[in-house]
Amino acid sequence: DVKVTQSSRYLVKRTGEKVFLECVQDMDHENMFWYRQDPGLGLRLIYFSYDVKMKEKGDIPEGYSVSREKKERFSLILESASTNQTSMYLCASSFLYGQGDTEAFFGQGTRLTVV
Amino acid sequence: AQKITQTQPGMFVQEKEAVTLDCTYDTSDQSYGLFWYKQPSSGEMIFLIYQGSYDEQNATEGRYSLNFQKARKSANLVISASQLGDSAMYFCAMRGLQKLVFGTGTRLLVSP
Repeated sequence: DVKVTQSSRYLVKRTGEKVFLECVQDMDHENMFWYRQDPGLGLRLIYFSYDVKMKEKGDIPEGYSVSREKKERFSLILESASTNQTSMYLCASSFLYGQGDTEAFFGQGTRLTVV
Repeated sequence: AQKITQTQPGMFVQEKEAVTLDCTYDTSDQSYGLFWYKQPSSGEMIFLIYQGSYDEQNATEGRYSLNFQKARKSANLVISASQLGDSAMYFCAMRGLQKLVFGTGTRLLVSP
């Protein structure tokens, strides 16, 4: 079974803190994605990566950065957390499009609250 | 740019009836894939069905079928014989090259 694991289910951080959200997958997927999910807004893509050390901005990258030092791990970094970053964060992984099964597999989500 | 539009925030259906969830998309890519995911109240994202842009036949997976109309850029999900367990959020998604984008979702409620 494909497993995508996010390091925390729930997280509470203070405004201005640097926050790390970790995601690990065990299927040797090239692609990894970070989304935030807010009611009425669906899933919005923050960043994605298609290879180690490669990253691409999604639709809402402001206030976030990412790191992919190893193929299996993709970290989302909030440099200075703000209350408007309170949200559910979802990590996903998949093979490169057109190579093998194309669907993305998701982690269980991290509900981040910034106070 | 890729964009997915789901215009139905909520849908109601009675058990055993069929329901169609709408999805339209926009992309300049020639090759792309369309996906539907289900998110129950537990929060997990469950992959339901996939349609490739070059697939000539509509995809089917059990009670799920994808009504793919390329010229209209629509990829509607049809659930036949709805069950109470189908109550959930449903997301349409598209990927071209490596980016994967989602719509805002439709909340489906199945009543007895």
